[in-house]
Amino acid sequence: IAGITQAPTSQILAAGRRMTLRCTQDMRHNAMYWYRQDLGLGLRLIHYSNTAGTTGKGEVPDGYSVSRANTDDFPLTLASAVPSQTSVYFCASKPDTSTDTQYFGPGTRLTVL
Amino acid sequence: GQNIDQPTEMTATEGAIVQINCTYQTSGFNGLFWYQQHAGEAPTFLSYNVLDGLEEKGRFSSFLSRSKGYSYLLLKELQMKDSASYLCAVPVTGGGNKLTFGTGTQLKVEL
Repeated sequence: IAGITQAPTSQILAAGRRMTLRCTQDMRHNAMYWYRQDLGLGLRLIHYSNTAGTTGKGEVPDGYSVSRANTDDFPLTLASAVPSQTSVYFCASKPDTSTDTQYFGPGTRLTVL
Repeated sequence: GQNIDQPTEMTATEGAIVQINCTYQTSGFNGLFWYQQHAGEAPTFLSYNVLDGLEEKGRFSSFLSRSKGYSYLLLKELQMKDSASYLCAVPVTGGGNKLTFGTGTQLKVEL
């Protein structure tokens, strides 16, 4: 049982480059989320998807895009990376209802130079 | 919108009891979550409270007072492995399945 996986584990990226962070879950959860975590700021929601085929903006969506072609995968794309996007990125998923907990992937540490 | 406050850091001694507080402001309430996050790792679920009172799970307990907008996480018989960040989170009002997280309380357990 894999649960929720993310790739890559870490990445160093030149500013201006395009980058896609991958997230896959095998729990058949409908809802998926992308967060970034920065020191002193906690977890902030970038984008989310309540079900395959739908996406929504979170608290800090600028500079990021997502797609949800199927239930399992929820990639996050940085079209043109900037140094302020240096962060640890966590993907999470949960079943349908608001009272269920979210399950987090192991995270991707991204450094933009 | 939501606003969540937690202390930034706490230090406690191995074997002791520590209480980590969380206050929140939300226009609608649909429960409160506590997560534990060890350094360099993902957050993991600890507890969920939707009704007032104390819920106990082994060494960890979580308390909620909806009228006061207040929760705490109580850790008993502290162990070194309890050194971690503890995150308080509430569902976003009218926001479907989204959560708003506090910035977390970094707990250091010392000998």
